[in-house]
Amino acid sequence: QKEVEQNSGPLSVPEGAIASLNCTYSDRGSQSFFWYRQYSGKSPELIMFIYSNGDKEDGRFTAQLNKASQYVSLLIRDSQPSDSATYLCAVTRAGSYQLTFGKGTKLSVIP
Amino acid sequence: EAGVTQFPSHSVIEKGQTVTLRCDPISGHDNLYWYRRVMGKEIKFLLHFVKESKQDESGMPNNRFLAERTGGTYSTLKVQPAELEDSGVYFCASSSNRRTEAFFGQGTRLTVV
Repeated sequence: QKEVEQNSGPLSVPEGAIASLNCTYSDRGSQSFFWYRQYSGKSPELIMFIYSNGDKEDGRFTAQLNKASQYVSLLIRDSQPSDSATYLCAVTRAGSYQLTFGKGTKLSVIP
Repeated sequence: EAGVTQFPSHSVIEKGQTVTLRCDPISGHDNLYWYRRVMGKEIKFLLHFVKESKQDESGMPNNRFLAERTGGTYSTLKVQPAELEDSGVYFCASSSNRRTEAFFGQGTRLTVV
């Protein structure tokens, strides 16, 4: 079983719609959860992090965490073509700085 | 504020040669990390420095890889001798003291032929 799982996509959504990206993790000791956006050939860019169960909102982005279900998601409202990228989910264990990544979900926002 | 910078951006070397990658973290960040993405796989952790000390090197694949961070500023990752399976993108990241939110450099694409 992979430690962090994401659907590879591509996930296609029309411009203006809500994009929903999902991630599951296997380690119940996971404590911190991160979403990175990576444009082709560029560095992963941190866009959200969440530590507690529930929702965390930042602009058009909402991260949702459910530790009981070992599930973290990222919602992007009012999706724009510029949001087209690969979204990487990453987690760390308590007391560790080591990020464990999923393979990423490729998002395509269609104008 | 300058972000994490890495160079070279690309390197093509022959099997058996030596390559040294360099990373300059964000100024003031004590934590520095090396990660690697092999084609088709997820990004994987290699090691973690806190200032000049190796905090966690559990991800280093073998003793052909040597990382240093003299003086607690920039870091180098040397691969000697390089093998074909070392090809991939090597990312460096940094974070401030006691923070796990890491910021990544643009990566060095290493190709071993």
